[in-house]
Amino acid sequence: GAVVSQHPSRVICKSGTSVKIECRSLDFQATTMFWYRQFPKKSLMLMATSNEGSKATYEQGVEKDKFLINHASLTLSTLTVTSAHPEDSSFYICSAPAQGAGSYEQYFGPGTRLTVT
Amino acid sequence: AQSVAQPEDQVNVAEGNPLTVKCTYSVSGNPYLFWYVQYPNRGLQFLLKYITGDNLVKGSYGFEAEFNKSQTSFHLKKPSALVSDSALYFCAVRDTGYSTLTFGKGTMLLVSP
Repeated sequence: GAVVSQHPSRVICKSGTSVKIECRSLDFQATTMFWYRQFPKKSLMLMATSNEGSKATYEQGVEKDKFLINHASLTLSTLTVTSAHPEDSSFYICSAPAQGAGSYEQYFGPGTRLTVT
Repeated sequence: AQSVAQPEDQVNVAEGNPLTVKCTYSVSGNPYLFWYVQYPNRGLQFLLKYITGDNLVKGSYGFEAEFNKSQTSFHLKKPSALVSDSALYFCAVRDTGYSTLTFGKGTMLLVSP
């Protein structure tokens, strides 16, 4: 199946700094990618839809100025957590839609564990 | 609006026994239904999907699920559980006309030796 990678897999940063997480589709092009946040033992919460060549679409309650999304190319989307605080500590996962007729599933990256101290 | 319910936080089963992980959904149109599995500190792996056609769908690692429109359910099943099946399982739905998935809260499956 299609592969989606994320980098870094784990990051620790100090409160007030910014962190960038990359999501790449390795063997296919993705005009759309999705960013999720997962709290411990909880479900995935969709944060935003990243659109290549246009602005991201944020879900209700997600601060667009805090979680900056840039879809720079057909294989790369980045999520920047600006002025991070301890409450931003979480597991962030990206995904990209499968390609091809009849394919409605999403392929997920391995996730990035963010810890803000 | 679309929603998914996984009524069980945890399912315990002995190795070799059949397993069922329950999922019910709510959509306004026709549902596209999915099961994903997540191992600790990893992303989600796609297991199977129902889009249309045969109500019984087969997926990876011997898993299958049955779409039941009248009960709005899509339960995940496996005839014989393995210890390595122990993981967190998510059911997800996408309503026709929507591009985003809505996930259930997840069910932890624990298979004992």
